[in-house]
Amino acid sequence: QKEVEQNSGPLSVPEGAIASLNCTYSDRGSQSFFWYRQYSGKSPELIMFIYSNGDKEDGRFTAQLNKASQYVSLLIRDSQPSDSATYLCGGAGGSQGNLIFGKGTKLSVKP
Amino acid sequence: SAVISQKPSRDICQRGTSLTIQCQVDSQVTMMFWYRQQPGQSLTLIATANQGSEATYESGFVIDKFPISRPNLTFSTLTVSNMSPEDSSIYLCSASTGGGGELFFGEGSRLTVL
Repeated sequence: QKEVEQNSGPLSVPEGAIASLNCTYSDRGSQSFFWYRQYSGKSPELIMFIYSNGDKEDGRFTAQLNKASQYVSLLIRDSQPSDSATYLCGGAGGSQGNLIFGKGTKLSVKP
Repeated sequence: SAVISQKPSRDICQRGTSLTIQCQVDSQVTMMFWYRQQPGQSLTLIATANQGSEATYESGFVIDKFPISRPNLTFSTLTVSNMSPEDSSIYLCSASTGGGGELFFGEGSRLTVL
């Protein structure tokens, strides 16, 4: 069974620090990965996606993919209290073209 | 991108009743899915809504409990039938253009079953 694993946290970092969120996946055939941010009581919103090995940067966010290790990460630089949310890692590879999600990591950025 | 509207946004229901959730996408999409998110949990796929044919259900979900319709490319409904307190959850409609691409999500429908 295809799985995506995340540390549920909570992960607590001080304001201005780097938050590092990690995700592993079981399906070597998965080609693309997505990081969603979900505020409490809200629906998930896409932060970043990554298809290729290496790093992809977008503003304060960097996604990293290592297909050999089946590992995906999201770095948030200069963390802000507004970044406090649950971050969901999703991998393509569901049998219906859906994404398979991890349980999510709850991030708390302390002022 | 796609904007997805869901209704109702929340409801409180009595045990044994059924509720239908509607999902409208503002553009034609290839795939539409229904996910469930139980309190403190991640997203679990219920089924893929197929246009003009029966939905494809994931293991643990059945049509009698979660009948789904998709009469066209932009609209789908999910019914939660004969509800019990265990069905209290957030139900999310999502859509994509397929090919392992991004999923767009509706705002969700928060159901509480008493």
